[in-house]
Amino acid sequence: DVKVTQSSRYLVKRTGEKVFLECVQDMDHENMFWYRQDPGLGLRLIYFSYDVKMKEKGDIPEGYSVSREKKERFSLILESASTNQTSMYLCASSPLENTQYFGPGTRLTVL
Amino acid sequence: DAKTTQPPSMDCAEGRAANLPCNHSTISGNEYVYWYRQIHSQGPQYIIHGLKNNETNEMASLIITEDRKSSTLILPHATLRDTAVYYCIVRVASYAGNMLTFGGGTRLMVKP
Repeated sequence: DVKVTQSSRYLVKRTGEKVFLECVQDMDHENMFWYRQDPGLGLRLIYFSYDVKMKEKGDIPEGYSVSREKKERFSLILESASTNQTSMYLCASSPLENTQYFGPGTRLTVL
Repeated sequence: DAKTTQPPSMDCAEGRAANLPCNHSTISGNEYVYWYRQIHSQGPQYIIHGLKNNETNEMASLIITEDRKSSTLILPHATLRDTAVYYCIVRVASYAGNMLTFGGGTRLMVKP
């Protein structure tokens, strides 16, 4: 079975803090993605990566950065957390064909 | 990517088949039909996908009409654990930037 894990299920941070969300996949997938999901807004792509050290902006990259130093690990960084970044963050991975497999999600609250 | 239309909610009795429809009348020839579901507070789970032919796996069956303008996801014996929001997505299989866009989906409630 494909396994995508995320470092935390629930996280509470304060405004201005630097936040790291980690995602690890064990299927040697080339592509990895970070989404956020908010009620009424659906799933929105923040960043994706199609190879180690490669990254592309998604629809809403502002306020976020990413790092992919190893193929299995894709990190999302909130440089200075703000309250409007309170959300469910979902990581996904896929091989070159299109099926994406998701992790369990991290519910981040920024106070 | 083509847009999809799904009913916002459906009920199904436990043990019966759940048939979830999806309209995708503007689908292109190279677009696949994908189904995901999301149980409350969890990440989306891949169910099945297809291009033209009907597909079946251990979770569900996917029936695609001959003109490919609509499809139906079938859960043959729904259980309470199948209660979730089901998303139908149509998109091209591509190399880069193959992000997913989830619409409203269908909230399936399986009742005892």
